[in-house]
Amino acid sequence: DTAVSQTPKYLVTQMGNDKSIKCEQNLGHDTMYWYKQDSKKFLKIMFSYNNKELIINETVPNRFSPKSPDKAHLNLHINSLELGDSAVYFCASSHTSGGGGISYEQYFGPGTRLTVT
Amino acid sequence: AQKVTQAQTEISVVEKEDVTLDCVYETRDTTYYLFWYKQPPSGELVFLIRRNSFDEQNEISGRYSWNFQKSTSSFNFTITASQVVDSAVYFCALSDAARGANSKLTFGKGITLSVRP
Repeated sequence: DTAVSQTPKYLVTQMGNDKSIKCEQNLGHDTMYWYKQDSKKFLKIMFSYNNKELIINETVPNRFSPKSPDKAHLNLHINSLELGDSAVYFCASSHTSGGGGISYEQYFGPGTRLTVT
Repeated sequence: AQKVTQAQTEISVVEKEDVTLDCVYETRDTTYYLFWYKQPPSGELVFLIRRNSFDEQNEISGRYSWNFQKSTSSFNFTITASQVVDSAVYFCALSDAARGANSKLTFGKGITLSVRP
């Protein structure tokens, strides 16, 4: 029944490790996103994918690599984790915004709290 | 560049009081969308409303109402007769709809609302 799901919910790891976060949506959307929420609750987009194609890459370090095996999944792999990567990562999905000027609401997953020690 | 300003950082009210959360936005686009999201203490992000730039009608949904004024670039959110369950961080967001699949949400910094019994 869950619309957008993420695993794991919590991730604690040491600096230098590599980790992945998985995201799946069952809403039939064709655009998916990754956001980072820092300790001050500020939300910033990292990536968006439309039909498995990378659309937005917001100057994220290339240690972060998203992968979309199909429209319903968008995973995030992070190499060589750093202390500053500690944050909550949210996956979201929406219908594709139309070129005619329609923007659709995004539905968010429950978030993954990443702690790097 | 797009910008969303939520000047209030924290608001505390007593249950049953009315409270208004302010949102001011900046954009050069003529077509855009505005959103409000709620993030309760449990951490998920819940979509509340979407409004496009051509529709200045106010909207009411139960105890929630939204006032969109293009003349002042504001999209304010009022909760009438607040309840403890309204305690959350509320985010206003702006989407550059004309960019189609490249459109993205720009979030404000959020307002932490505490409703005391």
